[in-house]
Formats: sequence, C-alpha cells, structure tokens
Amino acid sequence: TQLLEQSPQFLSIQEGENLTVYCNSSSVFSSLQWYRQEPGEGPVLLVTVVTGGEVKKLKRLTFQFGDARKDSSLHITAAQPGDTGLYLCAGVTRSNTGKLIFGQGTTLQVKP
Amino acid sequence: DADVTQTPRNRITKTGKRIMLECSQTKGHDRMYWYRQDPGLGLRLIYYSFDVKDINKGEISDGYSVSRQAQAKFSLSLESAIPNQTALYFCATSDSSWQGNDNEQFFGPGTRLTVL
Repeated sequence: TQLLEQSPQFLSIQEGENLTVYCNSSSVFSSLQWYRQEPGEGPVLLVTVVTGGEVKKLKRLTFQFGDARKDSSLHITAAQPGDTGLYLCAGVTRSNTGKLIFGQGTTLQVKP
Repeated sequence: DADVTQTPRNRITKTGKRIMLECSQTKGHDRMYWYRQDPGLGLRLIYYSFDVKDINKGEISDGYSVSRQAQAKFSLSLESAIPNQTALYFCATSDSSWQGNDNEQFFGPGTRLTVL
C-alpha cells in the first residue's frame, strides 16, 4: 500500500509564528497537491507541484517538492488566524493516474 | 450555485438501514469520486468512475456500492449501514481533458452520516 505520511497531525500556534508541515512517502509521485479544508466544507486545492525540487509560493505559503519526488513540505510564514484549517497533501503516481492518495492531514489552529 | 452538490448534508440512521447519498455536478467533468473522511485518517477512496460506463473500487469499497446514473450524477449506497460507517463523506470530480493542474479534484460540501 502506498502511503503518504503527514506530520504533525495537530499544530496550535500563536499568530505571527512560522510553521512547516511535512508530507513523506517511500513512493515516487508524478505530482503532489496540497489542499486546505475548512469546517463544513470540502477540500480546496492550494497548489500542485510536479517537478523534483520545485518551489511554489502562494502569498505567505511556500510549497516544496523533494528532489526525488517522494516528499513535500508546506511552510507558512507569519501565520494568521485565517490560516486555521485542515491541510491535506495528496499524491498521484504513474501507476494510478487520475487517483489521489491522501495524507492523514494536519489540523492547524492559529490563535490571535 | 455550487458546482458539486451533495444530498443530504446530514443524516442519522440506524444499523441495518439502507442509505443512499447523492452527488450532482454542473462542472461537466467526466470523473467522479466518493471518499470518506475520519479523524486522523485523511480521505480514503471508496469508489471512482472515470466515465458513465466505468466504475472502479477504491481502497475501502466493502459495504458500499455506487451508481453512475449520468455524467453529472454519482450516488453512493450503504446496503446495510453499520456504526463504523459513521463518517464524513465527500464526492469529488475532475476533468481528464484539462491540461492544467494535474488531477485537481473539486469537492462537494460533504455529508455527515451517523449510524446508531
């Protein structure tokens, strides 16, 4: 079974702090996505990374895809209460195109 | 109007009852998916359909069945509900022809199902 291990599972920080969420696997992914989910809603795509070593920025969020395409990270700078939510990584493998394998998710709480 | 809708949004039922969750989409996508979400387990794929005549089991299909009535409709059934099927269920869609973000999926708002 291909697994995506996401850590930490829970994170509670103060406004203004920085944080990093990790997504790791022993499998190689052709692409990896990060979704954000708010209570009462479905996940919404934040970014897709495709190339090993790729870095993408979305305002205060920085996403990185590992050189070997087995891992990814999400870094948030100066977290805001509006960043609170569940962050999910999801990967696509060459043998399972069209399907996503999800990590367990990281629940982030940013306190004012 | 929402692109992916799910009905009902909440449902409480009893063990042994048959339950159907419905999903409709106006995005014109060919691919549709059903997931369940449990705390600490992320999203797990139950069934998926790449077109109207294509139905495939996901990693946790036991106890579930699906029907793709049309390109826009994909329903999930629990033939005889049991308490460990209590979870949040999500429908999602994607477009195989889209050359943009690889396999981006668009999710409905979810159905919270409780089996007593």
